[in-house]
Amino acid sequence: SQQGEEDPQALSIQEGENATMNCSYKTSINNLQWYRQNSGRGLVHLILIRSNEREKHSGRLRVTLDTSKKSSSLLITASRAADTASYFCATRDAGGTSYGKLTFGQGTILTVHP
Amino acid sequence: GAGVSQSPSNKVTEKGKDVELRCDPISGHTALYWYRQSLGQGLEFLIYFQGNSAPDKSGLPSDRFSAERTGGSVSTLTIQRTQQEDSAVYLCASSSQSRPQYFGPGTRLTVL
Repeated sequence: SQQGEEDPQALSIQEGENATMNCSYKTSINNLQWYRQNSGRGLVHLILIRSNEREKHSGRLRVTLDTSKKSSSLLITASRAADTASYFCATRDAGGTSYGKLTFGQGTILTVHP
Repeated sequence: GAGVSQSPSNKVTEKGKDVELRCDPISGHTALYWYRQSLGQGLEFLIYFQGNSAPDKSGLPSDRFSAERTGGSVSTLTIQRTQQEDSAVYLCASSSQSRPQYFGPGTRLTVL
């Protein structure tokens, strides 16, 4: 079953603008990860934020995590046409016997127009 | 180094036939995961192998699905008596302990 809900489902912006995607989840987590997917294949790992972290940066990416609200956001600054892809959040549950598996959100389709 | 590889990249089969999908994880990664992605269900966890521990099979949708991981490396996902609803992209990932999971390009399965 899908835990995460992502918002918006689709986002269309112009090159140079910032893109913000949000993710909500339901259970206690060990970490939350963001992945990118082009053309329905090959998920690429972007960034991982642990449950005890609130913000993380990687290049043009900024991720925030609010465990009290069970939500995360991914900000892509100064977007480029090459950023066009689907973006997924994925959570790894805290504890339990299945700590390794990821539960994915439904994804946000980002289109960046040149 | 080499990433996760999967074969075949595409597989078309007839309803009722068995299929085998292969995954070669990144060398040295102890954990291996299978997921599937379909239009109606998004990305779903299927099964997870970690070292010599018993696999977590909690995501397998039916007893027609099984997976093996031989020698702690290559894994094969087998679907018996395929049904049309099995059509999806099957993704394999590997990781080192609790590190990020690195995904292969997937196998697109079409059941006619």
